[in-house]
Amino acid sequence: RKEVEQDPGPFNVPEGATVAFNCTYSNSASQSFFWYRQDCRKEPKLLMSVYSSGNEDGRFTAQLNRASQYISLLIRDSKLSDSATYLCVPSSGGYQKVTFGIGTKLQVIP
Amino acid sequence: NAGVTQTPKFQVLKTGQSMTLQCAQDMNHNSMYWYRQDPGMGLRLIYYSASEGTTDKGEVPNGYNVSRLNKREFSLRLESAAPSQTSVYFCASGATYEQYFGPGTRLTVT
Repeated sequence: RKEVEQDPGPFNVPEGATVAFNCTYSNSASQSFFWYRQDCRKEPKLLMSVYSSGNEDGRFTAQLNRASQYISLLIRDSKLSDSATYLCVPSSGGYQKVTFGIGTKLQVIP
Repeated sequence: NAGVTQTPKFQVLKTGQSMTLQCAQDMNHNSMYWYRQDPGMGLRLIYYSASEGTTDKGEVPNGYNVSRLNKREFSLRLESAAPSQTSVYFCASGATYEQYFGPGTRLTVT
């Protein structure tokens, strides 16, 4: 099983919609989780860190389900500027263990 | 406050040529990283440096060398470029999972 699995998408949603996508992780020892966003042809940028059951920052909410080993990212009231690829990174110890998957591509359409 | 800067932004090399990609950060981070990103693939760690004077191999180190010149600067050298090294190269600094990325260098090897 891969360390991180995400539906690559694309998720095409209309402006104003709520969208959620999941990230499944294989290491049950992962304690913290990180969401990055990467705009097309740009560098990844840290969006949110999750150290407990979840985190909320404005329109963005991350929820952790340890029993099923997935973390979800919910975006409310989608904006055109939310169009990007969202990368999930679970902690698993050590520099060599940092795994960036291919992420989930979100396209918000007018 | 520039964050992480990389030079050059674009480069075209012929097979067998050498070059050095430069990276600098002004956030006083101990750790720095070099990644490559290929189309349809996630970021792959090439080398990292946990502190000034130390470097370690990541997932895909073959064909590359690095130098941690001081706390601010971490360079990546291709001694004899190959077409398989055509990629986008990102430098990052920060903690293991909370990393700050530079804008990237788009390298094409013909």
